[in-house]
Amino acid sequence: EVQLVESGGGLVKPGGSLRLSCAASGLSFNSYTMNWVRQAPGKGLEWVSSIGSSPSNIHYGDSVKGRFTISRDNARYSLYLQMHSLRGEDTAVYYCVTGTTGFDYWGQGALVTVSS
Amino acid sequence: QSALTQRASVSGSPGQSITISCTGTTSDVGGYYSVSWYQQHPGKVPKLLIYEVSNRPSGVSRRFSGSRSGNTASLTISGLQAEDEADYYCSSYTSSSTWVFGGGTKLTVL
Repeated sequence: EVQLVESGGGLVKPGGSLRLSCAASGLSFNSYTMNWVRQAPGKGLEWVSSIGSSPSNIHYGDSVKGRFTISRDNARYSLYLQMHSLRGEDTAVYYCVTGTTGFDYWGQGALVTVSS
Repeated sequence: QSALTQRASVSGSPGQSITISCTGTTSDVGGYYSVSWYQQHPGKVPKLLIYEVSNRPSGVSRRFSGSRSGNTASLTISGLQAEDEADYYCSSYTSSSTWVFGGGTKLTVL
């Protein structure tokens, strides 16, 4: 069974930084493209970033480009999202997501709240 | 990266069929087979319903079906049931090697 467990969420002040982690199990982690998808309170889903099985294959959404950095550690079956210069509009539940046919597998999410 | 266009809400009575549409461009919905649909109940994690325009993952009811015409993808739910009441999102791969979601459609079962 594929399991994705996010951690690292919390309350941070505007302009601050936070690092999210996602621990994966039940899959051949190094073969999967991994994604972060977020959902602001009461709002829809927004794709944030993806990293392919090759760490050079990285993409970001326009709203986070230049502020967020995605990375992975295949030996640790882990995915990361380093977030800098956080803004109020970054407040959301951040999901770690992967799959072969679409976004098949979702973690339970980590809440990031940006507020003074 | 503009969100795909979905109607904000749709409703139907039990037993009826409803269709939710998702409109994009030739750079996303109209240009790639990687179009998916997700169901999200309140407070829950999204669930994959349809992948590659019209394919159902194992375990998803046959009442859910997907199609596409040009730049518009559609999700049809037949034999509407009370438990279908949820938010539905489409997503598509894009020509920029990114992904984009629709704004979501809230389905109310009357």
